[in-house]
Formats: sequence, structure tokens, C-alpha cells
Amino acid sequence: GAGVSQTPSNKVTEKGKYVELRCDPISGHTALYWYRQSLGQGPEFLIYFQGTGAADDSGLPNDRFFAVRPEGSVSTLKIQRTERGDSAVYLCASSFSGSYNEQFFGPGTRLTVL
Amino acid sequence: GIQVEQSPPDLILQEGANSTLRCNFSDSVNNLQWFHQNPWGQLINLFYIPSGTKQNGRLSATTVATERYSLLYISSSQTTDSGVYFCAVEQSSGSRLTFGEGTQLTVNP
Repeated sequence: GAGVSQTPSNKVTEKGKYVELRCDPISGHTALYWYRQSLGQGPEFLIYFQGTGAADDSGLPNDRFFAVRPEGSVSTLKIQRTERGDSAVYLCASSFSGSYNEQFFGPGTRLTVL
Repeated sequence: GIQVEQSPPDLILQEGANSTLRCNFSDSVNNLQWFHQNPWGQLINLFYIPSGTKQNGRLSATTVATERYSLLYISSSQTTDSGVYFCAVEQSSGSRLTFGEGTQLTVNP
């Protein structure tokens, strides 16, 4: 596609539920990133994929968060047992090949945990 | 980890005015990007500028990597320039971007 796409654009869930957020990167980009943005703050890094493998997952806040990229293109961020503190905008970005490359962001998924 | 500081945190201008936004960072970087976050939350790429000077229309940016700062210049501001401007850096040790807290720009007609 022309840009990074994310679905859904909005997700409302109840505390304790499981959610999946999807990211479709720019075609041909091997690097994919997930960030989280809370109100009034800059985005914060969660995880970085190079191809199919997670090259850096040090930003994941705890083991309730997990992400996959099985075929090296689309990625899914999975959150188990959601908590109210997980409410934020989840942003996905991609770049041509990782370091020293410009990152391009998707429109984000706004997650609200009631 | 690397620290990224942006100033000023808030800026209010009249249409037509010029402004300078600053980004300081605490360590050497591979990459520096400036973004504009529009009211719908979309991060729009303005500049990829690890060093040197670039211009794009009314916007220009300069990064002095040896002194660890970058400047974003907006000339003849328009109401559509309103939003949050973020500076983000990629530290030498990895691929992730670390963002500053942003500058909230409001341009009044």
C-alpha cells in the first residue's frame, strides 16, 4: 500500500479482555516498529521487528504484551488481560531496513479499556 | 537511555509570524526526525536530518550533531501549522526512536 495502515482505528474493550491490533507496513519495508502514545506525551517504543524476528522487545511493559510478524509483513500486537492503564494510542511504523532509515507511521489504534 | 528535550513546550503565534523550535539530545545519534502530529493524531514526516540543513517550502531544519541539537524553523506560519511538533532520535546503539515531549504550536488567524 501507499502508507502504513492499522486496524481497527478504535477499540473499546473491558478490563480483563484480550485484544489484537494489526499493522500493515509499507510494501518492501523489512523493519517494523510498535510504539505507544499516552495523552500529552511523545510515543514510546515497544518492539522492533527485522523481517520475521523480534530484534528488540525491550520496550514491552510486561508479559501481557506480545507481538508477532510471521511472514515478515503484517504484524499483530496482542494484549492479554487488559488493564485500564493500557488505554493509549498504539502506533505502528515501518522503515526500509532498520537503522539509519527514515521511519513512517500509521494512523494508530486508539485503545480504551473500561 | 538517551534524553531528548524540546523547547518551548507551548508556542502561540499570529498567522504570518516566524518561529524556531529546538531539540537537544544527550548522546550521539544515527538518525533524527521531525514530525508534525495533526489534530487527528497522524504523525507526518517533516524531515529526516541526522546532520546538516534541509528546506521544504516554508519549513527548514538544521542539525548540529557534534553539539547535539536540532532546530526546526517555520516561516510565515499558517493556521494549518497548528499541532504538536515532535523531535525523535535513533541512538547509535539501536533502531528505536526516542521522542521528545513535543512543542504544542497554536497559530491564530
